[in-house]
Amino acid sequence: DAKTTQPTSMDCAEGRAANLPCNHSTISGNEYVYWYRQIHSQGPQYIIHGLKNNETNEMASLIITEDRKSSTLILPHATLRDTAVYYCIVSDPNNAGNMLTFGGGTRLMVKP
Amino acid sequence: ETGVTQTPRHLVMGMTNKKSLKCEQHLGHNAMYWYKQSAKKPLELMFVYNFKEQTENNSVPSRFSPECPNSSHLFLHLHTLQPEDSALYLCASSQSQLASGANVLTFGAGSRLTVL
Repeated sequence: DAKTTQPTSMDCAEGRAANLPCNHSTISGNEYVYWYRQIHSQGPQYIIHGLKNNETNEMASLIITEDRKSSTLILPHATLRDTAVYYCIVSDPNNAGNMLTFGGGTRLMVKP
Repeated sequence: ETGVTQTPRHLVMGMTNKKSLKCEQHLGHNAMYWYKQSAKKPLELMFVYNFKEQTENNSVPSRFSPECPNSSHLFLHLHTLQPEDSALYLCASSQSQLASGANVLTFGAGSRLTVL
């Protein structure tokens, strides 16, 4: 599976959009991009996933570059409850057992 | 309620004790997972079961023994653990690890284990 690179931490003002980048320059054509988040001492929560197209759901938007080497998770109006560690993961359903391998993630701090 | 329930939420045990962690999912999924999260470390995959069959053992020491009696239940039996095994143990489930397409995991809240 391709590895991902994320900033260790980011700050965001409450009510503003939070844009979390992820680099996955070695991604292969079959690998999906997933985003999860983990609020302190809780289980990770699924946010969104995509393959090639941009995706949006009630929680966030996922923007994937045309070459698929990077992506951005957008929380349109961050609240204090969005403070968490955000994980960007890539995984290939046809290889490595479709396993999700978590890295260190980005610690997002939403401030009043 | 996430659909994946883990019990107990907190467990303290001595190194000579035998205990078990339980995970139950009500999502109709066919794959179940155990992850370990030590302090300030990323989640580490331990075991994977698909349709009750173990498909992944990530070089986990034998003092951790998983059991999957059916697709809805997963146990992690613990014996003669070490203090460094203290961690948050997370259970997850998904439709099927082996199917094509995306593999979206639903996690439980975790069981916080302390080994004295």
